Amino acid sequence: QMQLTQSGAEVKENGSSLKISCRASDYIFTYTYLHWVRQVPGQVLEWMGWITPYNGNLRYSQTFQDRLTITRSSSLTFAYMELSGLRPEDTGIYYCVRSSLSGSQFYFDSWGQGTRVTVS
Amino acid sequence: QSALTQPASMSGSPGQSITISCSGSSDDIGNDDSLSWYQRYPDKGPTLLIFQVTNRPSHISTRFSASKSGNTASLTISGLQLQDEAEYFCASHTKRGSWVFGGGTKLTVL
Repeated sequence: QMQLTQSGAEVKENGSSLKISCRASDYIFTYTYLHWVRQVPGQVLEWMGWITPYNGNLRYSQTFQDRLTITRSSSLTFAYMELSGLRPEDTGIYYCVRSSLSGSQFYFDSWGQGTRVTVS
Repeated sequence: QSALTQPASMSGSPGQSITISCSGSSDDIGNDDSLSWYQRYPDKGPTLLIFQVTNRPSHISTRFSASKSGNTASLTISGLQLQDEAEYFCASHTKRGSWVFGGGTKLTVL
């Protein structure tokens, strides 16, 4: 089964930028969607955006579109999430998530382990 | 986009059944059949339990089942086991093309 492995915990300063990587093992996520989802303490999970690795198509949540950049490596085994203008409210756990298609419906079938981010 | 509504916590005894609800709107749960359920243990990434409202991946126990009526979905866990103590949350695609999640339900197996 495909595994998504994320980069390690980060401690960032207010106003700085964050870049998290997500590696797909045993599978190149060419024909899937790769999403980023975060959870701030005490809050609901928030969908941030997705990329289609095979052609680089993107969609960002309006909440993050001004400061979020999602990219992928040329080898199509890594995806990256970069968030700029960090503030303490961005402290939380960030997940990369693969979605798959069943009929006409997508669902999140594989999650990374999460990357803990602290902004102070 | 508002979050989906779940009870914050539930509890049950081993062998019992419990049902967790997930309420949304016609913009999300009621819009299509994308509703899915996930299980998460502390400090672990979530795992998929149910997709497309009622479908269970082949490796997931048949003790997990789900349904939907209108803008509300439900996850039922039958024959509770100690290992079922975890957080459960729902997710739905929305009419606007984004995704929305439930607040999560912490299940305690007493």
